[in-house]
Amino acid sequence: AQKITQTQPGMFVQEKEAVTLDCTYDTSDQSYGLFWYKQPSSGEMIFLIYQGSYDEQNATEGRYSLNFQKARKSANLVISASQLGDSAMYFCAMRGDSNYQLIWGAGTKLIIKP
Amino acid sequence: DTGVSQDPRHKITKRGQNVTFRCDPISEHNRLYWYRQTLGQGPEFLTYFQNEAQLEKSRLLSDRFSAERPKGSFSTLEIQRTEQGDSAMYLCASSRGPVNEQFFGPGTRLTVL
Repeated sequence: AQKITQTQPGMFVQEKEAVTLDCTYDTSDQSYGLFWYKQPSSGEMIFLIYQGSYDEQNATEGRYSLNFQKARKSANLVISASQLGDSAMYFCAMRGDSNYQLIWGAGTKLIIKP
Repeated sequence: DTGVSQDPRHKITKRGQNVTFRCDPISEHNRLYWYRQTLGQGPEFLTYFQNEAQLEKSRLLSDRFSAERPKGSFSTLEIQRTEQGDSAMYLCASSRGPVNEQFFGPGTRLTVL
């Protein structure tokens, strides 16, 4: 069965510092995709970044990068130069090869301190 | 590209009543997904459509739940005989294809009294 684990329920980070949000996954699929989403208090789920299992380079999107370590089955999100507006819930999700639904972690609540 | 829209944004109902939610996906997206999210949890998959065909349903989707996408555009999710345990945020998402990122609507928050 596929599973996503996010071990950090909450994090406090000083503004302008970099932050790493942890995500580990478990799957027997050879081909899969890993996603990070941000959910502010307004509730809307916002897509941040995607990493395919066969991608050799780590994905980057602006201040977001994904530290993909396939052998360790980890896909950590790195946010550089954090901003107050980064305060939100962050979810790691996976799409397997055998189905196309997203399997989600429990999320990490990130609070950026001024 | 106007994004995914959902209606209503909030719904309060009494136990035993039926409710229906609507989702309008991004126009060129042929895949549409429904998820349920309870407070403090990640979303849970309910069902998805490719065009008008419902391809997969979660076991979470009891007989009281039904979803349709009659013309391959908008979708509706109906819950019959609502129970207090149905209180949650119902999220709709769409994607261009099966492996592409899913874009989410603002959700419908259901409260069953």
